Amino acid sequence: AAGVIQSPRHLIKEKRETATLKCYPIPRHDTVYWYQQGPGQDPQFLISFYEKMQSDKGSIPDRFSAQQFSDYHSELNMSSLELGDSALYFCASRRGGRETQYFGPGTRLLVL
Amino acid sequence: AQSVTQPDIHITVSEGASLELRCNYSYGATPYLFWYVQSPGQGLQLLLKYFSGDTLVQGIKGFEAEFKRSQSSFNLRKPSVHWSDAAEYFCAVGGTSYGKLTFGQGTILTVHP
Repeated sequence: AAGVIQSPRHLIKEKRETATLKCYPIPRHDTVYWYQQGPGQDPQFLISFYEKMQSDKGSIPDRFSAQQFSDYHSELNMSSLELGDSALYFCASRRGGRETQYFGPGTRLLVL
Repeated sequence: AQSVTQPDIHITVSEGASLELRCNYSYGATPYLFWYVQSPGQGLQLLLKYFSGDTLVQGIKGFEAEFKRSQSSFNLRKPSVHWSDAAEYFCAVGGTSYGKLTFGQGTILTVHP
């Protein structure tokens, strides 16, 4: 069965640089979620999209933005990167009205 | 606001022994409850979920969990642990209209041979 695809899987950036993370949901899933998992931490909800509109917002810094495109893939844009942004970023997708979220493998971001 | 507490940060069991991981949640209405497992450096794999109905739910890899509304708990159990079960386990609660999940702090499971 098709799963959630995230790219890149690993990313190394310098402080103050920008990064773009991509998420391709499971086919026919219309809702995408982004989570951030710091070292030794539990995943924290950042933002979600339903049918290309932002549906909920969590603890996402103003330096981050995200959107969902017409093909339902989503991108998380991160600017002015800080050391504390180093984390594992998960994307999850869900088919509207069904509560199970399926997670991608994550993008590991390291900011030096 | 929804929240999840996993009281045990680290649990060690011997292979073949039984396992119970605790999870307590706080949510104003009927929650949707999940258990996910994460191996080091890997993604989150869904073990099982509870939405409604039978309070004892079966999952993959021989895991089960029981929803107890009176205790606000959703504990994960396995009768006989295998070495390959060593991982970190997260309990999560959802249920808002938009479905975001709130995770517990996780429980690291170590399995001794």
